[in-house]
Amino acid sequence: KAGVTQTPRYLIKTRGQQVTLSCSPISGHRSVSWYQQTPGQGLQFLFEYFSETQRNKGNFPGRFSGRQFSNSRSEMNVSTLELGDSALYLCASGPGLAGEREQFFGPGTRLTVL
Amino acid sequence: KNQVEQSPQSLIILEGKNCTLQCNYTVSPFSNLRWYKQDTGRGPVSLTIMTFSENTKSNGRYTATLDADTKQSSLHITASQLSDSASYICVVSAPGAGSYQLTFGKGTKLSVIP
Repeated sequence: KAGVTQTPRYLIKTRGQQVTLSCSPISGHRSVSWYQQTPGQGLQFLFEYFSETQRNKGNFPGRFSGRQFSNSRSEMNVSTLELGDSALYLCASGPGLAGEREQFFGPGTRLTVL
Repeated sequence: KNQVEQSPQSLIILEGKNCTLQCNYTVSPFSNLRWYKQDTGRGPVSLTIMTFSENTKSNGRYTATLDADTKQSSLHITASQLSDSASYICVVSAPGAGSYQLTFGKGTKLSVIP
């Protein structure tokens, strides 16, 4: 089976812009979760979708949003970008909820905000 | 507040030697504990996932132990190889209302030198 894919792999934006990141899960997986990783804070949970429903949300401002489509593919959007949003954004997919079953991570999207 | 503390923050060992990484958590109630390996610039890869009733779990040269009474886990790497150089992240899952909360440690950065 193909692994989790994320596009784009690298992105450079300026403050105030918005960005959309995409994640294609492993075939058959219904759960997609998103994480932000920075050197200072480590991995932080953003949100999780299961069968198109948001099941869980981390402590991030409303500028961060996401959605999941009927084919389980997911997108996350960050509006009004800030310098502090520069990070590696990872998505993971799994056959069950992220906290219950094993999750498989994608390679990430490296976002740089100038 | 749920917390996961990993030690040491970084570790340098000679190729062929063994090492043990520590993970202490305050998460309660507890669903499962995972160890991930993350190579630089890549997504984390699952090594082990243990539930409350499991004391030890192996994956090749990696062996994780769990003491749910003291809320401690360790990851033992046997006969280290250069390819073991990576960050190792401990993650604890706690059941919540209709979902789970994942708490991440900040990781131990392991460098294996020839």
